[in-house]
Amino acid sequence: EAGVAQSPRYKIIEKRQSVAFWCNPISGHATLYWYQQILGQGPKLLIQFQNNGVVDDSQLPKDRFSAERLKGVDSTLKIQPAKLEDSAVYLCASSLDFNAYGYTFGSGTRLTVV
Amino acid sequence: AQSVTQLDSQVPVFEEAPVELRCNYSSSVSVYLFWYVQYPNQGLQLLLKYLSGSTLVKGINGFEAEFNKSQTSFHLRKPSVHISDTAEYFCAVSRTGGSYIPTFGRGTSLIVHP
Repeated sequence: EAGVAQSPRYKIIEKRQSVAFWCNPISGHATLYWYQQILGQGPKLLIQFQNNGVVDDSQLPKDRFSAERLKGVDSTLKIQPAKLEDSAVYLCASSLDFNAYGYTFGSGTRLTVV
Repeated sequence: AQSVTQLDSQVPVFEEAPVELRCNYSSSVSVYLFWYVQYPNQGLQLLLKYLSGSTLVKGINGFEAEFNKSQTSFHLRKPSVHISDTAEYFCAVSRTGGSYIPTFGRGTSLIVHP
Protein backbone atom coordinates (compact mmCIF):
# COMPACT_ATOMS: atom_id res chain seq x y z
CA GLU A 1 0.00 0.00 0.00
CA ALA A 2 1.47 3.32 -1.05
CA GLY A 3 1.74 5.89 1.71
CA VAL A 4 0.66 9.49 1.89
CA ALA A 5 2.66 11.46 -0.65
CA GLN A 6 3.64 15.08 -0.12
CA SER A 7 5.60 17.54 -2.19
CA PRO A 8 7.83 19.40 -2.13
CA ARG A 9 9.95 18.04 0.73
CA TYR A 10 11.61 21.38 1.36
CA LYS A 11 10.79 24.97 0.45
CA ILE A 12 12.53 28.23 1.25
CA ILE A 13 10.73 31.49 0.47
CA GLU A 14 10.94 35.11 1.46
CA LYS A 15 8.29 36.64 3.68
CA ARG A 16 5.29 38.00 1.81
CA GLN A 17 5.74 35.45 -0.97
CA SER A 18 3.20 32.72 -1.60
CA VAL A 19 3.71 28.97 -1.45
CA ALA A 20 1.65 25.84 -2.07
CA PHE A 21 1.96 22.30 -0.78
CA TRP A 22 0.46 19.20 -2.33
CA CYS A 23 -0.80 16.00 -0.73
CA ASN A 24 -1.97 12.72 -2.23
CA PRO A 25 -3.58 10.52 0.44
CA ILE A 26 -3.76 6.75 0.54
CA SER A 27 -6.17 5.45 -2.06
CA GLY A 28 -9.66 5.10 -0.63
CA HIS A 29 -9.05 7.28 2.41
CA ALA A 30 -12.00 9.62 2.69
CA THR A 31 -10.62 11.85 5.42
CA LEU A 32 -7.62 14.11 4.95
CA TYR A 33 -5.90 16.40 7.44
CA TRP A 34 -3.31 19.15 7.27
CA TYR A 35 -1.18 19.73 10.35
CA GLN A 36 1.38 22.41 11.16
CA GLN A 37 4.35 21.31 13.26
CA ILE A 38 6.50 24.14 14.55
CA LEU A 39 9.95 23.17 15.74
CA GLY A 40 9.82 21.85 19.31
CA GLN A 41 6.06 21.44 19.32
CA GLY A 42 3.55 18.76 18.54
CA PRO A 43 1.49 18.87 15.36
CA LYS A 44 -1.46 21.24 15.33
CA LEU A 45 -4.49 20.55 13.14
CA LEU A 46 -5.11 23.20 10.51
CA ILE A 47 -7.95 21.67 8.52
CA GLN A 48 -9.86 18.41 8.12
CA PHE A 49 -11.62 17.27 4.95
CA GLN A 50 -14.19 14.52 4.59
CA ASN A 51 -14.13 13.68 0.88
CA ASN A 52 -14.14 17.17 -0.70
CA GLY A 53 -15.94 18.94 2.14
CA VAL A 54 -14.38 20.82 5.03
CA VAL A 55 -15.20 19.32 8.44
CA ASP A 56 -13.07 21.51 10.69
CA ASP A 57 -11.00 24.56 9.78
CA SER A 58 -11.32 26.38 13.08
CA GLN A 59 -7.54 26.65 13.54
CA LEU A 60 -6.73 27.67 9.99
CA PRO A 61 -5.56 31.33 9.75
CA LYS A 62 -7.97 32.12 6.96
CA ASP A 63 -6.55 35.55 6.24
CA ARG A 64 -3.48 33.91 4.71
CA PHE A 65 -4.03 30.14 4.57
CA SER A 66 -6.34 28.31 2.21
CA ALA A 67 -6.84 24.66 1.36
CA GLU A 68 -8.88 22.69 -1.09
CA ARG A 69 -9.52 19.07 -1.90
CA LEU A 70 -11.00 18.91 -5.35
CA LYS A 71 -12.68 15.64 -6.31
CA GLY A 72 -12.10 14.32 -2.81
CA VAL A 73 -8.61 12.98 -3.51
CA ASP A 74 -5.55 15.27 -3.73
CA SER A 75 -5.32 18.37 -1.63
CA THR A 76 -3.36 21.60 -1.74
CA LEU A 77 -2.55 23.96 1.10
CA LYS A 78 -1.59 27.52 0.22
CA ILE A 79 -0.08 30.36 2.22
CA GLN A 80 -0.32 33.87 0.83
CA PRO A 81 1.43 35.99 1.98
CA ALA A 82 3.86 34.02 4.15
CA LYS A 83 5.16 35.31 7.46
CA LEU A 84 8.30 34.35 9.35
CA GLU A 85 6.21 32.50 11.94
CA ASP A 86 4.87 30.19 9.24
CA SER A 87 8.21 28.39 9.22
CA ALA A 88 7.28 24.83 10.15
CA VAL A 89 6.78 21.34 8.82
CA TYR A 90 3.41 20.89 7.16
CA LEU A 91 2.14 17.36 7.55
CA CYS A 92 -0.65 15.74 5.61
CA ALA A 93 -2.43 12.71 7.01
CA SER A 94 -5.28 10.54 5.88
CA SER A 95 -7.62 7.98 7.38
CA LEU A 96 -10.27 5.63 6.08
CA ASP A 97 -13.15 7.66 7.41
CA PHE A 98 -14.25 10.26 9.87
CA ASN A 99 -14.22 7.89 12.81
CA ALA A 100 -10.91 6.16 12.23
CA TYR A 101 -8.47 5.84 15.10
CA GLY A 102 -4.95 6.77 14.14
CA TYR A 103 -3.84 8.26 10.90
CA THR A 104 -1.20 7.65 8.27
CA PHE A 105 1.07 10.64 7.94
CA GLY A 106 3.14 11.79 5.01
CA SER A 107 6.77 12.82 5.40
CA GLY A 108 5.87 16.48 5.42
CA THR A 109 7.04 19.66 3.73
CA ARG A 110 9.56 21.72 5.64
CA LEU A 111 8.93 25.41 5.00
CA THR A 112 11.48 28.05 5.87
CA VAL A 113 10.40 31.68 5.55
CA VAL A 114 13.31 34.15 5.52
CA ALA B 1 -11.08 20.38 25.57
CA GLN B 2 -8.25 17.93 26.04
CA SER B 3 -4.61 18.63 26.73
CA VAL B 4 -1.45 16.56 26.93
CA THR B 5 1.69 17.12 28.96
CA GLN B 6 4.85 15.27 28.12
CA LEU B 7 6.96 15.76 31.18
CA ASP B 8 10.38 15.28 29.60
CA SER B 9 11.55 17.13 26.51
CA GLN B 10 14.59 14.89 26.17
CA VAL B 11 15.45 11.43 27.52
CA PRO B 12 18.99 10.14 27.02
CA VAL B 13 19.55 6.45 27.62
CA PHE B 14 22.15 3.82 26.85
CA GLU B 15 21.48 1.01 24.41
CA GLU B 16 19.80 -2.06 25.95
CA ALA B 17 18.64 -0.07 28.98
CA PRO B 18 14.93 0.24 29.80
CA VAL B 19 13.13 3.51 29.14
CA GLU B 20 9.91 5.20 30.17
CA LEU B 21 8.50 8.27 28.43
CA ARG B 22 5.91 10.04 30.54
CA CYS B 23 2.59 11.41 29.39
CA ASN B 24 -0.21 12.97 31.41
CA TYR B 25 -3.48 14.19 29.98
CA SER B 26 -6.36 16.38 31.03
CA SER B 27 -9.94 15.92 29.88
CA SER B 28 -13.47 16.33 31.20
CA VAL B 29 -14.73 13.48 29.01
CA SER B 30 -13.69 9.96 28.15
CA VAL B 31 -10.62 9.77 25.95
CA TYR B 32 -8.67 7.66 23.54
CA LEU B 33 -4.90 7.78 23.89
CA PHE B 34 -2.13 7.37 21.34
CA TRP B 35 1.63 7.30 21.03
CA TYR B 36 3.26 8.27 17.75
CA VAL B 37 6.93 8.10 16.76
CA GLN B 38 8.64 10.47 14.35
CA TYR B 39 12.01 9.53 12.90
CA PRO B 40 14.19 12.34 11.49
CA ASN B 41 12.72 13.92 8.38
CA GLN B 42 9.72 11.61 8.38
CA GLY B 43 6.06 11.84 9.25
CA LEU B 44 4.48 10.43 12.37
CA GLN B 45 3.89 6.70 12.71
CA LEU B 46 1.34 5.21 15.11
CA LEU B 47 3.07 3.13 17.81
CA LEU B 48 0.04 2.09 19.81
CA LYS B 49 -3.38 3.23 20.93
CA TYR B 50 -5.71 2.76 23.87
CA LEU B 51 -9.40 2.71 22.99
CA SER B 52 -10.93 0.49 25.68
CA GLY B 53 -10.42 -2.81 27.50
CA SER B 54 -7.07 -3.85 28.94
CA THR B 55 -5.14 -0.91 30.30
CA LEU B 56 -1.83 -2.40 29.14
CA VAL B 57 -1.43 -1.82 25.45
CA LYS B 58 1.26 -3.39 23.31
CA GLY B 59 2.47 -1.69 20.18
CA ILE B 60 5.04 -2.06 17.45
CA ASN B 61 8.80 -2.29 17.94
CA GLY B 62 8.49 -3.75 21.47
CA PHE B 63 6.85 -0.69 23.01
CA GLU B 64 3.97 -0.83 25.46
CA ALA B 65 1.97 1.72 27.41
CA GLU B 66 -0.29 1.59 30.42
CA PHE B 67 -3.43 3.64 30.81
CA ASN B 68 -3.93 4.83 34.37
CA LYS B 69 -7.24 6.61 34.68
CA SER B 70 -6.82 7.67 38.30
CA GLN B 71 -3.48 9.31 37.56
CA THR B 72 -4.56 10.45 34.07
CA SER B 73 -1.37 9.02 32.65
CA PHE B 74 -0.35 6.97 29.63
CA HIS B 75 3.37 6.32 29.99
CA LEU B 76 5.30 4.57 27.23
CA ARG B 77 7.85 1.90 28.10
CA LYS B 78 10.35 -0.38 26.46
CA PRO B 79 12.43 -2.91 28.41
CA SER B 80 15.50 -2.67 26.19
CA VAL B 81 16.11 0.09 23.66
CA HIS B 82 18.14 0.04 20.46
CA ILE B 83 20.03 2.76 18.68
CA SER B 84 17.29 2.70 16.04
CA ASP B 85 14.74 3.83 18.63
CA THR B 86 16.29 7.30 18.61
CA ALA B 87 13.40 9.50 17.53
CA GLU B 88 10.77 11.98 18.69
CA TYR B 89 7.81 10.48 20.51
CA PHE B 90 4.43 12.17 20.72
CA CYS B 91 1.60 11.39 23.08
CA ALA B 92 -1.88 12.32 21.85
CA VAL B 93 -5.41 12.32 23.24
CA SER B 94 -8.80 12.52 21.60
CA ARG B 95 -12.31 12.45 22.95
CA THR B 96 -14.31 9.29 22.40
CA GLY B 97 -17.34 10.89 20.75
CA GLY B 98 -17.60 12.57 17.39
CA SER B 99 -14.44 13.31 15.48
CA TYR B 100 -11.40 11.61 16.94
CA ILE B 101 -8.97 14.37 16.02
CA PRO B 102 -6.13 14.05 18.52
CA THR B 103 -4.43 16.78 20.47
CA PHE B 104 -0.69 16.21 20.54
CA GLY B 105 1.84 16.84 23.27
CA ARG B 106 5.07 18.71 22.60
CA GLY B 107 7.05 15.53 22.14
CA THR B 108 9.91 13.76 23.91
CA SER B 109 13.19 13.25 22.18
CA LEU B 110 14.58 9.80 22.94
CA ILE B 111 18.32 9.66 22.42
CA VAL B 112 19.88 6.21 22.61
CA HIS B 113 23.64 6.14 23.13
CA PRO B 114 25.84 3.15 22.28
